[in-house]
Amino acid sequence: GQNIDQPTEMTATEGAIVQINCTYQTSGFNGLFWYQQHAGEAPTFLSYNVLDGLEEKGRFSSFLSRSKGYSYLLLKELQMKDSASYLCAVEDSNYQLIWGAGTKLIIKP
Amino acid sequence: IAGITQAPTSQILAAGRRMTLRCTQDMRHNAMYWYRQDLGLGLRLIHYSNTAGTTGKGEVPDGYSVSRANTDDFPLTLASAVPSQTSVYFCASSDSGQDSGANVLTFGAGSRLTVL
Repeated sequence: GQNIDQPTEMTATEGAIVQINCTYQTSGFNGLFWYQQHAGEAPTFLSYNVLDGLEEKGRFSSFLSRSKGYSYLLLKELQMKDSASYLCAVEDSNYQLIWGAGTKLIIKP
Repeated sequence: IAGITQAPTSQILAAGRRMTLRCTQDMRHNAMYWYRQDLGLGLRLIHYSNTAGTTGKGEVPDGYSVSRANTDDFPLTLASAVPSQTSVYFCASSDSGQDSGANVLTFGAGSRLTVL
């Protein structure tokens, strides 16, 4: 079956760096997405990786290794507003999105 | 309106009742989707539409139906609601169909449905 694994919850300190991991086993691969979802709100797009390597976008970076079925989202200079759930999703060979359950990130002062 | 509008924001209804969740987008996106989100689970696709006039079944379609009469509207109907359909429902759209990559989704604010 298809599976996306990511930690349920992580805690980090304001101003620090946190890495949220995502591993996947899917029927084919057409890209990996990260979305941010604040409590009670809609998910919003953060990043997309289809080739191996690091994609940097401001304080957020996303890394992909297709051979390892692995990605991470790196958040630098954490701010209180970064407290949210971070959803990893993989597009399989049928262009269907398979979603992880999300990682709830708690930022402490 | 800008983006995707969902209605109602929340609703409590009795089991066995019929309910339609409305979704309207103004971005002229060709593809639209309905997901449900339950605690501890990833988003699960209910139904999708690649373009006006076509629809397809997702991972959990049973008990739900959709229609896509035009580009902007994609209502989701529960013919006879059951308690297991208690969930948060998100409508989404994208300007790529199921046969292309980089399928970035724009989500509506969600509809919280409770079936008693």
